[in-house]
Amino acid sequence: EVQLVQSGAEVKKPGESLKISCKGSGYSFTSYWIGWVRQMPGKGLEWMGIIYPGDSDTRYSPSFQGQVTISADKSINTAYLQWSSLKASDTAMYYCARQRDGYNGGFDFWGQGTLVTVSS
Amino acid sequence: SYELTQPPSVSVSPGQTARITCSGDALSKQSAHWYQQKPGQAPVLVIYKDSERPSGIPERFSGSSSGATVTLTISGVQAEDEADYYCQSADSSGSYLVFGGGTKLTVL
Repeated sequence: EVQLVQSGAEVKKPGESLKISCKGSGYSFTSYWIGWVRQMPGKGLEWMGIIYPGDSDTRYSPSFQGQVTISADKSINTAYLQWSSLKASDTAMYYCARQRDGYNGGFDFWGQGTLVTVSS
Repeated sequence: SYELTQPPSVSVSPGQTARITCSGDALSKQSAHWYQQKPGQAPVLVIYKDSERPSGIPERFSGSSSGATVTLTISGVQAEDEADYYCQSADSSGSYLVFGGGTKLTVL
């Protein structure tokens, strides 16, 4: 059974750093793109970026380039999303999701989401 | 930046057919996918590659494509179909993925 399990909810202060994780199981982790999606409170889905764990090829949405870093550790089947300096506007639910086929094949499996709250 | 445009809301009565459109310049070149999201839940893929249905998704969900517009059709809408629906595709170069703004489907 394919599963993506994300790390738990986080409460941080502005300016702090954060790294959240997404652990894949039940499939060949290195063979599928893993994307990150932001959903701000009451808003829609936004594609942030994507990584191919097999060779760490990473692409970012222009809206998020330079704001976050996406990485993966294929030895432990885990992808990461990190911030070096959080802002209140980073408060959102963050999902990881697997592309079913190639780079734009549709996200067929999703993590449960990680709620990040940034508040002073 | 590339955008996909969806109507903010669609309303239908139970048993009727709901159609949700998504328009974007590159949709004639790039595959589109549809997701259903219910409150407090992660999105679920309901249509991929314009018209393919994943296993476990009811047959009443279908997708079609015509030029710069893709359409999600839900035939015989049920109360449980009330949710937000998002289209997703890629820009013309295939470099960037993008989601539409979402459509709230209300079952009257």
